[in-house]
Amino acid sequence: DGGITQSPKYLFRKEGQNVTLSCEQNLNHDAMYWYRQDPGQGLRLIYYSQIVNDFQKGDIAEGYSVSREKKESFPLTVTSAQKNPTAFYLCASTGGFNEQFFGPGTRLTVL
Amino acid sequence: GESVGLHLPTLSVQEGDNSIINCAYSNSASDYFIWYKQESGKGPQFIIDIRSNMDKRQGQRVTVLLNKTVKHLSLQIAATQPGDSAVYFCAEGRSQGNLIFGKGTKLSVKP
Repeated sequence: DGGITQSPKYLFRKEGQNVTLSCEQNLNHDAMYWYRQDPGQGLRLIYYSQIVNDFQKGDIAEGYSVSREKKESFPLTVTSAQKNPTAFYLCASTGGFNEQFFGPGTRLTVL
Repeated sequence: GESVGLHLPTLSVQEGDNSIINCAYSNSASDYFIWYKQESGKGPQFIIDIRSNMDKRQGQRVTVLLNKTVKHLSLQIAATQPGDSAVYFCAEGRSQGNLIFGKGTKLSVKP
C-alpha cells in the first residue's frame, strides 16, 4: 500500500520544548515538502527538499528545522523558537506532474 | 506575495446542482495547475490537474478549465453531492519549483 504517512496524528507540546513530526513516503518521490495550515487559511510552505541531503527554506522557516538523510523520510522539528506553533502540519511528496500527494497531517497544540 | 488566489471564499449550492469554483493566478510561467479537496481534519486530496498547454481536462464529474489569457482556472463539479462538501484549493506548479496554493474555497452542499 503506497503513500505518505505522518505521525503522530495529534501532538501536544509544552512551551519551550522541541518536537519532531514524522513524514515517510514509499512512492520513490524525490521531492518532499512541509506545509503549515492555520484555521480557515491556505497552506504555507515551511521547508522543502528536492533531493536527499539537500533542503531549502520555504516562506515561513523560522523556528523550524528539517533533515533529509533518506529519500523516504523528511522529519520536521518544531523548535522552541517558533512562537506560535499550534497548527495543522502537512507533509507532501511529488514525482512531477500528476504525482503530488499529501499525508493525513499532524495537529500540533501547545499547552 | 501569493500568485494564486480565489475569488470566492465560500460557495453554497443545492444538491444536484453544478458547482463552479474559481481561481486566479498571476504567474504565466506555471507549468501545471492542480485542484485539491480537503475535508475537515484531513490532508488535501488530489482531484485533477491540467498542464499549461491545455484548455480543458475532464475527470469523473469534474472538469477543469484553464484560461491563460486572463490567468483564470476553474473547477466544475457536476451534480454536486453532500460528499463534495469540503474546502477546495487550487495550486500552481512549475517543473523547477514548488507548488503555490491559494487560500481555498469552502463548498457547502445543501440537501
